[in-house]
Amino acid sequence: GAVVSQHPSRVICKSGTSVKIECRSLDFQATTMFWYRQFPKQSLMLMATSNEGSKATYEQGVEKDKFLINHASLTLSTLTVTSAHPEDSSFYICSAWTGRTEAFFGQGTRLTVV
Amino acid sequence: AQRVTQPEKLLSVFKGAPVELKCNYSYSGSPELFWYVQYSRQRLQLLLRHISRESIKGFTADLNKGETSFHLKKPFAQEEDSAMYYCALLTGGTSYGKLTFGQGTILTVHP
Repeated sequence: GAVVSQHPSRVICKSGTSVKIECRSLDFQATTMFWYRQFPKQSLMLMATSNEGSKATYEQGVEKDKFLINHASLTLSTLTVTSAHPEDSSFYICSAWTGRTEAFFGQGTRLTVV
Repeated sequence: AQRVTQPEKLLSVFKGAPVELKCNYSYSGSPELFWYVQYSRQRLQLLLRHISRESIKGFTADLNKGETSFHLKKPFAQEEDSAMYYCALLTGGTSYGKLTFGQGTILTVHP
C-alpha cells in the first residue's frame, strides 16, 4: 500500500518556541492531506484540511495562527505549531487521501512542550 | 450535520468468543463508511470499507441504512485483534476525502 511518512516521530520543545512537523506521501501524489490531533485513548480530532497550492481549511475552534499549515507540493504538507505551550502537547497525525476512497496515515508525532 | 457514534469505549472478550463493535452514523447524503484499526504503537490503518463488502482478518461489517449502522463483527476473536478500532464516515465526496471519526473502541481479547 501507499506510504505516508511523518517526521519527527517525537519532539520536545520549550514553551514559546515553534515546532514544524512534516508529512510526506512517498509513492503517490495526495490530492488532499489532513491534520488530526489525538488525545490518549480518544478519537482523532480533525484540525485542518490541506490542499496543494491553496490555503488550508481549518475546523471550528482551531486557531489558524497557532497551527500554520503549508502544502508546498502534492507530496508534502507541514504543520507548524507556533509559540507552543504545554496544552499543545499531544499526538499529531497526518493523513493523505489518494482520491480513490482510501486515506493513508502517518505514524504520528508526539509533541511535548515543557 | 455528520456524526459517527461508537457507544462502547472499552470492549473485552475472551479468545474464541464473537465480538461486535458498534457504530452508528448520522449523515444526510449517501454514506461511505470505513473501519480503521490502530494496533499498539502502530499507525492507523484501513481495516475495511463498506463499498468493498470484503472480509479482512475475519472481520465483516454491513451497512444498514435503515438503522444507520455499520457494526463490525468477527465470529471468533483472537488475541491479536486487541487494538483501538475507529469507525469513520467519508464526507465531501471521494475527491475530497474528509473523514469523520467515531470516538473509538478499545478491544481487548483475553486468552
